[in-house]
Amino acid sequence: AQRVTQPEKLLSVFKGAPVELKCNYSYSGSPELFWYVQYSRQRLQLLLRHISRESIKGFTADLNKGETSFHLKKPFAQEEDSAMYYCALRGNFGNEKLTFGTGTRLTIIP
Amino acid sequence: EAGVTQSPTHLIKTRGQQATLRCSPISGHTSVYWYQQALGLGLQFLLWYDEGEERNRGNFPPRFSGRQFPNYSSELNVNALELEDSALYLCASSFIRPKQGTDTQYFGPGTRLTVL
Repeated sequence: AQRVTQPEKLLSVFKGAPVELKCNYSYSGSPELFWYVQYSRQRLQLLLRHISRESIKGFTADLNKGETSFHLKKPFAQEEDSAMYYCALRGNFGNEKLTFGTGTRLTIIP
Repeated sequence: EAGVTQSPTHLIKTRGQQATLRCSPISGHTSVYWYQQALGLGLQFLLWYDEGEERNRGNFPPRFSGRQFPNYSSELNVNALELEDSALYLCASSFIRPKQGTDTQYFGPGTRLTVL
């Protein structure tokens, strides 16, 4: 079975402070991990995926297979980062569904 | 390029009725996915269609069904509506990478279904 855990429902961070949103997963094969973000009144959109190994809007996430984690990080939070963040896992070829975590609501305090 | 579109935006039904939700994928995408986002339950996978065939379904009863048309658009049908079916239903689309599986899923704005 595949499972994604985001332990924090709510996270408040001061503007300019570092941000870390935690994500742990459970999957027996080699998963593909994603972070999706939902800004207020907007649709769910892809923020980044682990195979791209890129930084989007200053966010990065490294897949740690030993700890089965895919934490999302940003060194300096900005007010526009306030949103709902979802970590998601996709299984191997043929098991294409996304399994989402319950999400973390990030609020940046000015 | 137009994104994934869904209709209607809102749908109000009563218990026992049937609901039909529609989704148009991004041009060039052959796969369509349906997810349910119910309050307190997060996003849960419902169905996956590709090339007109149902490829996978989540842990939902058979009264949740759908289909995919030759133009790759899709319908989700929910029969015998129950109060707990009230949720935001999201559609996503992607294309298939040869020998690698599907690419990133792009989401529509959702249909808010309310069952009274």
